[in-house]
Amino acid sequence: DVKVTQSSRYLVKRTGEKVFLECVQDMDHENMFWYRQDPGLGLRLIYFSYDVKMKEKGDIPEGYSVSREKKERFSLILESASTNQTSMYLCASRQTGGGDEQYFGPGTRLTVT
Amino acid sequence: RKEVEQDPGPFNVPEGATVAFNCTYSNSASQSFFWYRQDCRKEPKLLMSVYSSGNEDGRFTAQLNRASQYISLLIRDSKLSDSATYLCVVNGGSGNTGKLIFGQGTTLQVKP
Repeated sequence: DVKVTQSSRYLVKRTGEKVFLECVQDMDHENMFWYRQDPGLGLRLIYFSYDVKMKEKGDIPEGYSVSREKKERFSLILESASTNQTSMYLCASRQTGGGDEQYFGPGTRLTVT
Repeated sequence: RKEVEQDPGPFNVPEGATVAFNCTYSNSASQSFFWYRQDCRKEPKLLMSVYSSGNEDGRFTAQLNRASQYISLLIRDSKLSDSATYLCVVNGGSGNTGKLIFGQGTTLQVKP
């Protein structure tokens, strides 16, 4: 079974703090994704990565950056957290050429106060 | 216009009922279509892929109408355990980027 893990289930940070969300997958998948999920808006893609050291902006990249130094790990960084970044953050991975199915981690519920 | 549109519901149905969800998508180049299921406070998980010819998995039937850019999910003989949010998902359509576009989900509540 594919396993995608995220570093925290719940996180509370203050406005202006730098926040790191970590995601690790154990299936040697090339592609990894970061989404946020908000009521009424569904899942929105923040950033994705085709492979190590590669990254592409998704639909809502503003205020976020990412890092992919190792194949199994994809980090989402909030440079200066703001209250409008309070959300559920979901990481996913996918095998290139393995169909479009994505496997999700359990999510991190981030609250910025 | 949203790229993938679903009726958010909630759909409240009794056990044993048949319920259908619909979804429309705007990108005619989309090639892959899915229904994901998301339980409360959990991550989305693939329920089934949707093929042009339609496909069935037990009590679940998915249909795709490319001409109308319309996807449906039919659940027969609803169980309490079917209560969840059902996400309609299509791929981005341009190349093999693996990008998926998610609808906001339709909530189903099956009651005893």
